[in-house]
Amino acid sequence: DIQMTQSPSTLSASVGDRVAITCRASQSIDTWLAWYQQKPGKAPKLLIYKASSLESGVPSRFSGGGSGTEFTLTISSLQPDDFAIYYCQQYYNYWTFGQGTKVDVK
Amino acid sequence: QLQLQESGPGLVKPSEALSLTCTVSGGSISSTTYYWGWIRQSPWKGLEWLANIYYSGRTYYNLSLKSRLTIFADTSKNQFSLRLSSVTAADTAVYYCARQVLYDNSGSPGYFDLWGRGTLVTVSS
Repeated sequence: DIQMTQSPSTLSASVGDRVAITCRASQSIDTWLAWYQQKPGKAPKLLIYKASSLESGVPSRFSGGGSGTEFTLTISSLQPDDFAIYYCQQYYNYWTFGQGTKVDVK
Repeated sequence: QLQLQESGPGLVKPSEALSLTCTVSGGSISSTTYYWGWIRQSPWKGLEWLANIYYSGRTYYNLSLKSRLTIFADTSKNQFSLRLSSVTAADTAVYYCARQVLYDNSGSPGYFDLWGRGTLVTVSS
């Protein structure tokens, strides 16, 4: 199994901050990585696929990067609607998710 | 706009089988562009992919659960279903169905672009 590890587990930030979340894979996954946002009581929502491709309708303040084993999700200017939990997911070999990073109010 | 809706019992007894159905509206599960999958979420395991199925009948299973899982589709009803046998308290989770995009020319299933709202299943006597 490919293990996905996110850091930090919790990130405290303020509106307007630039925020970055890291996801590391236990082996190389090329760029076969997606990012999701989840709010309480809701299903995950796709933000980014193929490491850096923005899903249609997702604000441009979200961006993704990386390849191989290290990836980053960046929010350029945090908005009130962005406080949520973020997950990475690899699809190089089967499908596994990271444990999540909670972005909360500082 | 395509939508997915999970249905099934909210409470299952230990050792029994859990059966869930996902009804797809606004699109066809016979599409050649997508797989259809099940994912669950629990506080102890987080998000865990379970199984997926293609219109052709091709399936993939989570290897750690494969002996207990069955996924199948009913194209006439535009539904796909999951059966998990011999459940224990550890199977208590929110179960989601989702659409899975093919991501390369080989037709491999990739990321999940649309999800149902999820259904909570509790395993308890």
